[in-house]
Amino acid sequence: DGGITQSPKYLFRKEGQNVTLSCEQNLNHDAMYWYRQDPGQGLRLIYYSQIVNDFQKGDIAEGYSVSREKKESFPLTVTSAQKNPTAFYLCASSIQTGVNEKLFFGSGTQLSVL
Amino acid sequence: SQQGEEDPQALSIQEGENATMNCSYKTSINNLQWYRQNSGRGLVHLILIRSNEREKHSGRLRVTLDTSKKSSSLLITASRAADTASYFCATAFTGGGNKLTFGTGTQLKVEL
Repeated sequence: DGGITQSPKYLFRKEGQNVTLSCEQNLNHDAMYWYRQDPGQGLRLIYYSQIVNDFQKGDIAEGYSVSREKKESFPLTVTSAQKNPTAFYLCASSIQTGVNEKLFFGSGTQLSVL
Repeated sequence: SQQGEEDPQALSIQEGENATMNCSYKTSINNLQWYRQNSGRGLVHLILIRSNEREKHSGRLRVTLDTSKKSSSLLITASRAADTASYFCATAFTGGGNKLTFGTGTQLKVEL
């Protein structure tokens, strides 16, 4: 099956700990995105990548880091600098970053603080 | 924020009825998209309407776009219990490439 795989489904973070959320796609898409979803607030863009070895900050990048070493992988690290990390994290991809492209989403990772 | 706003926040209807959700946004757009999200799951793309289009259909879905009012509506006809989900509009702002800005969503509940 083609699609986007996020893991783990649930993740718990201790105080001061960095955690990494995995996102893998086999759709051969150029662009990948990370969104954060809080209850009642919709989705907010954290980081996006248009091509391998390149990425840009979204609207709420502080406390997060990403890498794009392979086309199919776009992991997100939630660092200890992110003071309110509890949220539902969604990874998405699109064929390109041109206009009029639809996004394909993974099934999400729920991150909670212990 | 350039975030779109959906209205209503929550909607409860009976199976077979039509459901209408509205979305308003603030600046000029290249396109507007609607997505569906089942509880605890990822979003699924429903339909994309470009800024030069006024209406689009896909199965039981009908989307309209009024760029002069900066608003869009999603109509689901003959609703089913399986349509129960949250629905989000997302806008690609002019000059923003394919970065999408999502609204806060409408929670639709379709009762038997």
